[in-house]
Amino acid sequence: GAVVSQHPSWVICKSGTSVKIECRSLDFQATTMFWYRQFPKQSLMLMATSNEGSKATYEQGVEKDKFLINHASLTLSTLTVTSAHPEDSSFYICSARVTGIDTEAFFGQGTRLTVV
Amino acid sequence: AQSVTQLGSHVSVSEGALVLLRCNYSSSVPPYLFWYVQYPNQGLQLLLKYTTGATLVKGINGFEAEFKKSETSFHLTKPSAHMSDAAEYFCAVSGASGTALIFGKGTTLSVSS
Repeated sequence: GAVVSQHPSWVICKSGTSVKIECRSLDFQATTMFWYRQFPKQSLMLMATSNEGSKATYEQGVEKDKFLINHASLTLSTLTVTSAHPEDSSFYICSARVTGIDTEAFFGQGTRLTVV
Repeated sequence: AQSVTQLGSHVSVSEGALVLLRCNYSSSVPPYLFWYVQYPNQGLQLLLKYTTGATLVKGINGFEAEFKKSETSFHLTKPSAHMSDAAEYFCAVSGASGTALIFGKGTTLSVSS
């Protein structure tokens, strides 16, 4: 199946700093990528939908100025957590659906963010 | 709008016993349905999916699920549990055309020897 690579797999940062998470589709082009957040022992909550070449669509309650999403190419989307605070600590997972083969979503390995 | 309800946040079975994880969905369009498994601090692994066609879907590791439109259900089963099946299981629904998957709250499966 198609591969989605997410980097880094874990990161620790200080409060007030920004962290960038990359999501790459390695062997396919993804017109649309999705970013999810998962709190411990909870489900995946959709944060935003990222479309190549256009602004991301954020779900209600997600701060677009805090969680900056860029989808500059068909194989790369980035999530930047700006001015991170401890409450932003979470597991972030990206997903991509294959253009033209629209029945499956492929997921990255996830990024464990810890803000200290 | 779409949603998923997973009945039972925690299911415990003995090794060799039947596994049944329940999932009901709500969708305003014909749904695509998925079951994923997640091990601690890892991403999601697709177990199986229903798109169209045969309503009984077979997946990896001996799992299968049946799409029942009249009951809006997509329950996951495995005839004989193995210790390695202990994990978190998520049911998800989406519409077609590149929309996001919407996940249920997950069910933790514990398997005892």
